[in-house]
Amino acid sequence: QPVLTQPPSVSGAPGQRVTISCTGNTSNIGAGYDVHWYQHLPGMAPKLLIYLNEDRPSGVPDRFSGSKSGTSASLTITGLQADDEAYYYCQSYDISLSDHVVFGGGTRLTVL
Amino acid sequence: QVTLKQSGPALVKPTQTLTLTCTFSGLSLKAFATRATWIRQPPGKALEWLARIDWDDDKFYRSSLKTRLTVSKDTSKNQVVLTLTNVDPADTGTYYCVRMRQDSDAYDVWGQGTLVTVSS
Repeated sequence: QPVLTQPPSVSGAPGQRVTISCTGNTSNIGAGYDVHWYQHLPGMAPKLLIYLNEDRPSGVPDRFSGSKSGTSASLTITGLQADDEAYYYCQSYDISLSDHVVFGGGTRLTVL
Repeated sequence: QVTLKQSGPALVKPTQTLTLTCTFSGLSLKAFATRATWIRQPPGKALEWLARIDWDDDKFYRSSLKTRLTVSKDTSKNQVVLTLTNVDPADTGTYYCVRMRQDSDAYDVWGQGTLVTVSS
C-alpha cells in the first residue's frame, strides 16, 4: 500500500475546479517534508507539475496550484480542460522508511 | 535543455538479468549536484523508487531490491546503467530514468520509459 493516500479518482466538467488530496502522516508530510506533484498522461512519462509544495516549473500553467497543511497536501486545478485528463501523483520523503522516497497511489482525473 | 534517452529490452526471461541504459544530453553526469534516479511503475500500481546515483558516485538502493540492483555510470558516454539480476514476473513494469532537481528531491526530467515484461 502506498504510504501517501490519494483518492482513486476525481472528476469535473470543463471550466470547473478540482482538488486532489494527498494524505500522509507525521513521518512524512507532517514532519515538514516537501510534497511534489506529477501529471501522468497515458503513454507518456510523468511530468513535474508542482515542486516544493507550491512552486511551478517553467511552462506549467498557473491553473495548477499546490498547498500543504499538517499531514496533507493538495493539488488544485482550475479552469479544467479536456487535456488535463490524466493520472496525478504526489511524492514526499518519509524519515521512518529506509527508502525515504514515497509516492501516492495516484488519482485518475476525468474531465466530463 | 536536459533530455534523457533510455534503451533496453522489452522482454526478459525469469532469472535473467535486466540491463537498462539512460543517456543524458545537455548535462554532464560529473556536474555538481547531478543525481540520476530510476523509478518504475508496475502495471496498475503506483510509482516505485528504485535507485539513485550521484555526481560524486554515491549510490542508494531500494532496500527490498538491494541484493539484485546495481546502478552505475559511464561518464565518458554520459550514461547511467541499471542492472536487476534474477528477474521475476513481479519486476514487470515501466522503468524510468529521471533527473532530480538540484534544489529539491523532485524529479524534473524523465526519460521516455521502458516497458519491461518478465515472461518465459
